[in-house]
Amino acid sequence: QSVLTQPPSVSGAPGQTVTISCTGSSSDIGAGSDIHWYQQLPGTAPRLLIYANSNRPSGVPDRFSGSKSGSSASLAIAGLQPEDEADYYCQSGDSSLNDVVFGGGTKLTVL
Amino acid sequence: QVQLQESGPGLVKPSQTLSLTCGVSGGSINSGAFRWSWVRQHPGKGLEWIGYVYYTRGTYYNPSLKSRLSISVDTSKNQFSLKLISVTAADTAVYYCARGLPDNWFDSWGQGTVVTVSS
Repeated sequence: QSVLTQPPSVSGAPGQTVTISCTGSSSDIGAGSDIHWYQQLPGTAPRLLIYANSNRPSGVPDRFSGSKSGSSASLAIAGLQPEDEADYYCQSGDSSLNDVVFGGGTKLTVL
Repeated sequence: QVQLQESGPGLVKPSQTLSLTCGVSGGSINSGAFRWSWVRQHPGKGLEWIGYVYYTRGTYYNPSLKSRLSISVDTSKNQFSLKLISVTAADTAVYYCARGLPDNWFDSWGQGTVVTVSS
């Protein structure tokens, strides 16, 4: 199984922009696998934030954006708000893959 | 909007079988397009994919759990189930059921259920 690497933690002040990286390899992201992002608020289930690299589901603010380049993907959160403090996970997968892999997760602290 | 709800015992003894059910409302489980999935989260840790079942195309399991795992669908009750045999303390986790879309992301999640393996 592939491995997706995320920084354990990031932080930023309200109003700032933070970026969370998700690094894979030439066998997953680099081979064209899509990346999806989830937000997990404390004590709650994960919530889909970004799908297929850069698409936002209905109801997700446009402060959240995703991108992919080479063997890495990124989640950017602009205009940080206190309620953004949560754990964020990337996940690889597309219609051609049967396995699902999650990144290790990144804890976002809003200072 | 589809909703999912996990149910099952919160305490399982070591070496026994962990059995959980996910009830699906607001949608039919016998749509062949979806991957009805289980994901778990060990205390203080990240998400771990367990496996999923397609209504018509079988099952796919995390290789690390495959030898102990079974996921099945009950269309008469619009639910799917997980069975994990020979559990140990390492199987203590919050277990989530989720709906996976054909392009392999999860758009709906249950609230999660805590399972503790202890004698």
